[in-house]
Amino acid sequence: QKEVEQDPGPLSVPEGAIVSLNCTYSNSAFQYFMWYRQYSRKGPELLMYTYSSGNKEDGRFTAQVDKSSKYISLFIRDSQPSDSATYLCAMSGGPQGGSEKLVFGKGMKLTVNP
Amino acid sequence: DSGVTQTPKHLITATGQRVTLRCSPRSGDLSVYWYQQSLDQGLQFLIQYYNGEERAKGNILERFSAQQFPDLHSELNLSSLELGDSALYFCASTRSGNSYEQYFGPGTRLTVT
Repeated sequence: QKEVEQDPGPLSVPEGAIVSLNCTYSNSAFQYFMWYRQYSRKGPELLMYTYSSGNKEDGRFTAQVDKSSKYISLFIRDSQPSDSATYLCAMSGGPQGGSEKLVFGKGMKLTVNP
Repeated sequence: DSGVTQTPKHLITATGQRVTLRCSPRSGDLSVYWYQQSLDQGLQFLIQYYNGEERAKGNILERFSAQQFPDLHSELNLSSLELGDSALYFCASTRSGNSYEQYFGPGTRLTVT
């Protein structure tokens, strides 16, 4: 079983839709949960990170972590064509978790159609 | 622009050859991470350096090596190249060793023919 699982999609939605992206994981030592956005032919760009369980909101983006279910989500409200990109989840145990290396999901390709 | 620079942008070389990829971290960042991104494997962590010393190792092949210099730039050396090494190679940096806030460079696209 892979440490981090992410449906690679692709996902196509109309402009203005609410988008839900998800990852599951198996390593209970993960404490930090990140979402990266990667445009075609560019490096990944950090969108948000969350420590432990809970929600975090930043503009149209909301990240949720449910450690009991080992499940994380990213919601995008009022999606825009400029949100079209590949979204990667990433996780780390952090120094307390014994491993600081990031483990990435494979990425979900999102297209928002005008 | 993340502030992380990588050179070259593209590299085309033949099997069996050796190449060096270069990364300059953001100003003030002490930690550099190297990743390989391929279509089938996704983004794979290779190795981390912190202030000149190796800090963590991931799925890095023995044919690959890296170092971080006193000015904090880093180089990834890939030798005895195989077709399967064709991929995007990214470096990322962070201020401390906290891996959760990494800033990625634009990547080097390596094509092995």
